Amino acid sequence: GQQLNQSPQSMFIQEGEDVSMNCTSSSIFNTWLWYKQEPGEGPVLLIALYKAGELTSNGRLTAQFGITRKDSFLNISASIPSDVGIYFCAGRGSSASKIIFGSGTRLSIRP
Amino acid sequence: DAGVIQSPRHEVTEMGQEVTLRCKPISGHNSLFWYRQTMMRGLELLIYFNNNVPIDDSGMPEDRFSAKMPNASFSTLKIQPSEPRDSAVYFCASSKGQGTYEQYFGPGTRLTVT
Repeated sequence: GQQLNQSPQSMFIQEGEDVSMNCTSSSIFNTWLWYKQEPGEGPVLLIALYKAGELTSNGRLTAQFGITRKDSFLNISASIPSDVGIYFCAGRGSSASKIIFGSGTRLSIRP
Repeated sequence: DAGVIQSPRHEVTEMGQEVTLRCKPISGHNSLFWYRQTMMRGLELLIYFNNNVPIDDSGMPEDRFSAKMPNASFSTLKIQPSEPRDSAVYFCASSKGQGTYEQYFGPGTRLTVT
């Protein structure tokens, strides 16, 4: 079946640094979603992407739908302590509603 | 607007007992999803409904798990009998559908089976 490879698994960076993470798939996806999860809570939707090549921003977050439709990137600029959490990518292939989640990138920040 | 509501937030039960998890989706959303999250397996889709009809239950681990959606504002996930390996956080999510695929998650139910 379809699988997503998300990297890196974890990041430990300095406050103020920019962050990049990505997801790749062996098959084509039609929708990419990026979520953030904090301890004890459900994933919160950050950005949704629907078209190949699409670049969308949400504050300091920017995500792109790869032109090959097999990958997506999330960048966070000027990280702050509240950016700590686990970031998940999710993709929708040919199924009408079903999305598949990556394994997550755990972001930790040194103050 | 209220988000997805799940109850209970925490459930501790003994092996062999029946467990029922409840979900109220966002009003106006016509797709509902049940997920399980564990450290080992991450977020797994168990089942999803469109317009109250189960569409894909291929993620339901075994016959001990069942889910229902009797109306547009309520769904249950039942485990009977429960086993220690069922311990996980169970999330419900809903989506508006109709060409949009953004899913909004509830706060989850943390289930511990002893």
